[in-house]
Amino acid sequence: DAGVTQSPTHLIKTRGQQVTLRCSPISGHKSVSWYQQVLGQGPQFIFQYYEKEERGRGNFPDRFSARQFPNYSSELNVNALLLGDSALYLCASSLSGWSTGELFFGEGSRLTVL
Amino acid sequence: AQSVSQHNHHVILSEAASLELGCNYSYGGTVNLFWYVQYPGQHLQLLLKYFSGDPLVKGIKGFEAEFIKSKFSFNLRKPSVQWSDTAEYFCAVIRSGSARQLTFGSGTQLTVLP
Repeated sequence: DAGVTQSPTHLIKTRGQQVTLRCSPISGHKSVSWYQQVLGQGPQFIFQYYEKEERGRGNFPDRFSARQFPNYSSELNVNALLLGDSALYLCASSLSGWSTGELFFGEGSRLTVL
Repeated sequence: AQSVSQHNHHVILSEAASLELGCNYSYGGTVNLFWYVQYPGQHLQLLLKYFSGDPLVKGIKGFEAEFIKSKFSFNLRKPSVQWSDTAEYFCAVIRSGSARQLTFGSGTQLTVLP
């Protein structure tokens, strides 16, 4: 079975540009979460979506947005990129939207902002 | 807001040595606790989890962790490490019953020398 897939795996942008990252959850999983992992730190929660509705939002500016599609895939958008947005962006999927059970992570999209 | 502290940033051990990685969290309510591992070049994987019951939890590859509520701790242990245990280890906490918003520690890089 395919795990969580993310695209692109690597990308380079310049300050002020916009980026869209994509995530396909494990088949049958209805919840998708996004995390930002800056070098040397643990992942930080950005968003959680369950059944196409936002269920949680972390402490990130409005430049960050996301959505979930009817097939449960998800996109993370970041506008007006800053140097500090350079990070590994992780997508995780799970069967349900609540705290029990396991989160399955993808390999991430590494964003470099120049 | 809840936080997670991992006091050891980098641990270097020889094969067959015993391992204990510290993890403390700040939230006073009921929590679910996790240890994730990230092997070089791979995605984050669940090592073990605690939801309720026996505070001594056993995970994959011979790892175990003990939940001590009075100390707000969830330390990871392994009696005898192997070279293949070289990885980064993350402790994570989620408030029980909440949406799936994991709070991660900053991680501990474990290097096992052959």
